[in-house]
Amino acid sequence: EPEVTQTPSHQVTQMGQEVILRCVPISNHLYFYWYRQILGQKVEFLVSFYNNEISEKSEIFDDQFSVERPDGSNFTLKIRSTKLEDSAMYFCASRGPLGGNYEQYFGPGTRLTVT
Amino acid sequence: DQQVKQNSPSLSVQEGRISILNCDYTNSMFDYFLWYKKYPAEGPTFLISISSIKDKNEDGRFTVFLNKSAKHLSLHIVPSQPGDSAVYFCAAINTNAGKSTFGDGTTLTVKP
Repeated sequence: EPEVTQTPSHQVTQMGQEVILRCVPISNHLYFYWYRQILGQKVEFLVSFYNNEISEKSEIFDDQFSVERPDGSNFTLKIRSTKLEDSAMYFCASRGPLGGNYEQYFGPGTRLTVT
Repeated sequence: DQQVKQNSPSLSVQEGRISILNCDYTNSMFDYFLWYKKYPAEGPTFLISISSIKDKNEDGRFTVFLNKSAKHLSLHIVPSQPGDSAVYFCAAINTNAGKSTFGDGTTLTVKP
């Protein structure tokens, strides 16, 4: 069964460093998402991406964040200058195809620890 | 403004009994609702969904009920099994916008 994959599973970085979290969505999906979950808190929407552009973003997704689909298979989330409060599980999700149902399929997550 | 609320952070039921998880929403533009299940250290997994044109959707042991006038949905699990122990998130979508808004989650514990 197709699944969303994410790498790395755990990333430790120092405050102020740039990180790139990688996701490979399900191959025929067209909509892509990033969410985060701070430990003990709710799953929070960050950004949605469709047709090679951001379709919606939350207030969390400020100028420090960017997303890219560089090669038609990977979907990346970049945090330019990490802060302590960026420590969280980051989940990638995908859905599709166009006109299909609205279920999103989530990856296993990347645990980001900022020290 | 929390548009999707799960007011019970936890629920404990005995194996074989019914589990009822509740979710309330405030945005009348939401027209599609989903339940996800999440185990520790894993991503959420889609469980069941319902469109606003329906009031019930059933899939095996799982049934979702939607009361549009009350802006309330519930997930029934019958019979509950220990493997159902997880965090359950409801999510709501305005299909014109596409973004899923999640509730805080309810931790279900099914005791053997």
